[in-house]
Amino acid sequence: EVQLVESGGGLVQPGRSLRLSCAASGFTYDDYAMHWVRQAPGKGLEWVSSISWNSDKKDYADSFKGRFTISRDNSKKSLYLHMNSLRPEDTAFYYCVKGAPSGWEKWGQGSLVTVSS
Amino acid sequence: QAVVTQEPSLTVSPGGTVTLTCGSSTGAVTSGHYPYWFQQKPGQAPRTLIYDTSTKHSWTPARFSGSLLGDKAALTLSGAQPEDEADYYCLVSYTNAVVFGGGTKLTVL
Repeated sequence: EVQLVESGGGLVQPGRSLRLSCAASGFTYDDYAMHWVRQAPGKGLEWVSSISWNSDKKDYADSFKGRFTISRDNSKKSLYLHMNSLRPEDTAFYYCVKGAPSGWEKWGQGSLVTVSS
Repeated sequence: QAVVTQEPSLTVSPGGTVTLTCGSSTGAVTSGHYPYWFQQKPGQAPRTLIYDTSTKHSWTPARFSGSLLGDKAALTLSGAQPEDEADYYCLVSYTNAVVFGGGTKLTVL
């Protein structure tokens, strides 16, 4: 069974950093691109970042360039999102998603990040 | 970045048919934008219904179909069921970015 389990979320003060992780299982992880998508409470989906299977290509939404960094460790079947200079408006559920060529087949259950003093 | 637009809300009667659309500020949505459609119910993670315009996953009910309609991507629900009441999001792919639409709240009533 394909599984994606996010971790690392929680309460963080404005201006601080946080690293999210996503543990993948049930599929050949290094065959797939991966994505991070977030959703503020009561709001819509927002694409954050994507990474190719071999980390050669990393893309970010304009809002996150220079502040967020996506990475992956294929030996650990893990995806990461390092977030710097966090703001209250970054409060959201952060989802990792299994990407191409799977047709965004699987979403994790999400990890809640709350940015507040 | 581009803006992707969806109807904020739609209502369909049980057993009825409804079409949700997905437009792009950059012009026509084409197959080259590989449009996706996602369904999200309250308290749940999204799930992917349609990718690459019209390709379904194994769990996608047959009553859902994806297409291009004029200059937009479209999701058509034929024979709506109460369990189809949900938020629906489209996704459009551009060079070096993907953008979600704002979502359509579909009510089955």
